[in-house]
Amino acid sequence: GQQVMQIPQYQHVQEGEDFTTYCNSSTTLSNIQWYKQRPGGHPVFLIQLVKSGEVKKQKRLTFQFGEAKKNSSLHITATQTTDVGTYFCAGGNYGQNFVFGPGTRLSVLP
Amino acid sequence: DAGITQSPRHKVTETGTPVTLRCHQTENHRYMYWYRQDPGHGLRLIHYSYGVKDTDKGEVSDGYSVSRSKTEDFLLTLESATSSQTSVYFCAIGWEGFSYEQYFGPGTRLTVT
Repeated sequence: GQQVMQIPQYQHVQEGEDFTTYCNSSTTLSNIQWYKQRPGGHPVFLIQLVKSGEVKKQKRLTFQFGEAKKNSSLHITATQTTDVGTYFCAGGNYGQNFVFGPGTRLSVLP
Repeated sequence: DAGITQSPRHKVTETGTPVTLRCHQTENHRYMYWYRQDPGHGLRLIHYSYGVKDTDKGEVSDGYSVSRSKTEDFLLTLESATSSQTSVYFCAIGWEGFSYEQYFGPGTRLTVT
């Protein structure tokens, strides 16, 4: 079945450094979603990408969907302690086989 | 946050006992989902519902059943709990299927001893 992988599994950064997490699917995706989960909290929807090569920005966060629609990335510029948490990507193929990746846990040292 | 509540929030039960978790929404969303979250696995879909009495299996449905008799309530039942079902369970809601964002509840931490 479809698999969604994320790298790295963990990332420790100094506050102010940039951070990137990568999401890779074994199959072509119709859409990809990104969620953030703070420690002890629940996942919160960040954004959805649907077009090949699409790039969306939310303040310091930049999301990209690959040209082949099999990979995606989330880049955070100048991390802050409020960025701490686990970032999940999730993707599906036209409503089928919607799968979450295992997540990337980000810690930010002040 | 969307109006989603889960009950109980924490539960400890013994192997072999039945357990029912409840998800309640006040948003009138058509879709409701049950996930389990375990270290290293992210969120895995157990079952989902696309309307009253309309449900379907997810990727890890064995040992679980669901029911939805009202739009606002989605119940997850472990018929005979096993230690492998120790996990954090999240309910989520959405307007329409997997092509739309999901809103998650606060979660239920279940421990099976």
